[in-house]
Amino acid sequence: DTTVKQNPRYKLARVGKPVNLICSQTMNHDTMYWYQKKPNQAPKLLLFYYDKILNREADTFEKFQSSRPNNSFCSLYIGSAGLEYSAMYLCASSRDLSSGNTLYFGEGSRLIVV
Amino acid sequence: GDSVTQTEGLVTVTEGLPVKLNCTYQTTYLTIAFFWYVQYLNEAPQVLLRSSTDNKRTEHQGFHATLHKSSSSFHLQKSSAQLSDSALYYCALSDPLSGGNYKPTFGKGTSLVVHP
Repeated sequence: DTTVKQNPRYKLARVGKPVNLICSQTMNHDTMYWYQKKPNQAPKLLLFYYDKILNREADTFEKFQSSRPNNSFCSLYIGSAGLEYSAMYLCASSRDLSSGNTLYFGEGSRLIVV
Repeated sequence: GDSVTQTEGLVTVTEGLPVKLNCTYQTTYLTIAFFWYVQYLNEAPQVLLRSSTDNKRTEHQGFHATLHKSSSSFHLQKSSAQLSDSALYYCALSDPLSGGNYKPTFGKGTSLVVHP
């Protein structure tokens, strides 16, 4: 089973309100990633967990939080949504952090902030 | 950090004709891996091809790509496009981190539309 599941698939949020997105994988992968995808832009890596260690990208450090309570689950948390957070959020997992690792993606969570 | 460039946002091709999606990259590292991912409508992105060997052709599902380090390219090609190939295609590379680890970096993606 190579399934990565994301919930919710669609989320409508008000400006200033929190948003929590969930991702799960059953492949026992050590690494889980969160990407933000906006139209006509490359998927932007926000953060990733390698085992229990969280790595956040420097330019999004303050904007996103995450937790990984166990190997299978990973969340992405926005404390106060702004209009600029409207995007598709893609979760992915991989076996580890080696160069040739394939990423397994979920179908994404589309966030619209109004 | 490293970067990936996909120059075409949209490529349209007639069914049965050849298609080529361009991918170039910038990196100072010699031993990293390159990928093509495909995302069909309403589905998750999935890996299509992977390579880390210079000048070696890699094939899968009728698509092929050859890593050319001399020109920093990893173009995706197919000799005869099918309607079912219509999808969004991402080129990606493994961007080195410290400690011998890597993180994936993606291009913007190219939408391929195959019409009858």
